[in-house]
Amino acid sequence: KNEVEQSPQNLTAQEGEFITINCSYSVGISALHWLQQHPGGGIVSLFMLSSGKKKHGRLIATINIQEKHSSLHITASHPRDSAVYICAVLSGSARQLTFGSGTQLTVLP
Amino acid sequence: DTAVSQTPKYLVTQMGNDKSIKCEQNLGHDTMYWYKQDSKKFLKIMFSYNNKELIINETVPNRFSPKSPDKAHLNLHINSLELGDSAVYFCASSQDVGGSETQYFGPGTRLLVL
Repeated sequence: KNEVEQSPQNLTAQEGEFITINCSYSVGISALHWLQQHPGGGIVSLFMLSSGKKKHGRLIATINIQEKHSSLHITASHPRDSAVYICAVLSGSARQLTFGSGTQLTVLP
Repeated sequence: DTAVSQTPKYLVTQMGNDKSIKCEQNLGHDTMYWYKQDSKKFLKIMFSYNNKELIINETVPNRFSPKSPDKAHLNLHINSLELGDSAVYFCASSQDVGGSETQYFGPGTRLLVL
């Protein structure tokens, strides 16, 4: 079983919908990252958080350390949000990131 | 200005060959990384390196070796290429070692071993 589990694996939404992508992990962590991989393959870091909530434009990331769970929300989704969203964690004793398998998001016009 | 650049973008080669992928960052970061993304799009760390230490993922074959001529460069050398090495390889950098800092990724190098 992977240390980092994402759900759903695939998500199709209509433009304007509110989207939630979930990430659960099984170990204690010191940091969690959300990444976006564009259809062309490029990877961009969206958030790095260790507690609470962060917001950037229409994107919101939350983390609950006790429940070992993080969510990425997209408000007023747009077709340009179509991408793979990847969760990655830095576990307590590790010095490197462990990645989830990604969520493929497709937003239809 | 490209923050993290990789060359080449595409690499097609025969099994058994030795090849290198270059990575450069102009962000002044202290730490650089190599990641492998397999055909199922699963990302996995291969190496992280700063001027103090090299951290190697234990699953990486010793045919793979990182070489850093200076702080801004971390090249990936692969000896005796195998079919299973076909993947996309991403370089990244961050200010500090580990995953507690935002990482900036290069565009990726698509390697195909025939």
